[in-house]
Amino acid sequence: QVQLVESGGGVAQPGRSLRLSCAASGFTFRSFSMHWVRQSPDKGLEWVAVIWPDGSQKQYGDSVKGRFTISRDNSKNTLYLQMNSLRGDDTAIYYCAKEIQVWGQGTLVTVS
Amino acid sequence: VVVTQSPLSLPVTLGQPASISCRSNQSLLYSDGNTYLNWYQQRPGQSPRRLIYKVSTRDSGVPDRFSGSGSGTDFTLKISRVEAEDVGVYYCMQGTHTPFTFGPGTRVDIK
Repeated sequence: QVQLVESGGGVAQPGRSLRLSCAASGFTFRSFSMHWVRQSPDKGLEWVAVIWPDGSQKQYGDSVKGRFTISRDNSKNTLYLQMNSLRGDDTAIYYCAKEIQVWGQGTLVTVS
Repeated sequence: VVVTQSPLSLPVTLGQPASISCRSNQSLLYSDGNTYLNWYQQRPGQSPRRLIYKVSTRDSGVPDRFSGSGSGTDFTLKISRVEAEDVGVYYCMQGTHTPFTFGPGTRVDIK
């Protein structure tokens, strides 16, 4: 079955960086677009970014554009989110999702 | 695109129907003829789970008491007979225009 396991969350100071990973299994990773979505009590669910199956195209939400970078390694079945210049309002649970259909369990990022 | 939902809280009686409205401020009809409006369920302590995509197509394993309808800017999720396991928050999401956007969620609980 499809499994997505996020890691890399934790506490970071404002202005610092974190890199999230999402290990995928149970499906042909290289064939599907992958997304990051975050959830916070203040803003609810917020779409963060998407990357095409071959990595050729990427799109971002307005609040993270220019600070976050989505990438993938199809040889390792892994999705990444590089988060730079972190701000307090980036505090959230970050989920990776296969075509926003199947979601991982999430990883908590706290910026403080 | 701004997506709104109503009501934000929905107490229901077991076995009774429930209905959630989702509206967008722009048409969600895409140039390919599809309308990318999804519904998600988030049970307490769990990640969201997609129930319905492209307005009315149920995901595999989703009970047929869940149905979606609508077009353009106006959409509805219906639960024909609410069961205890349906308690949670329901979100609609538009995937037609980037950035994709979610509604604020509707909390369904049992009276």
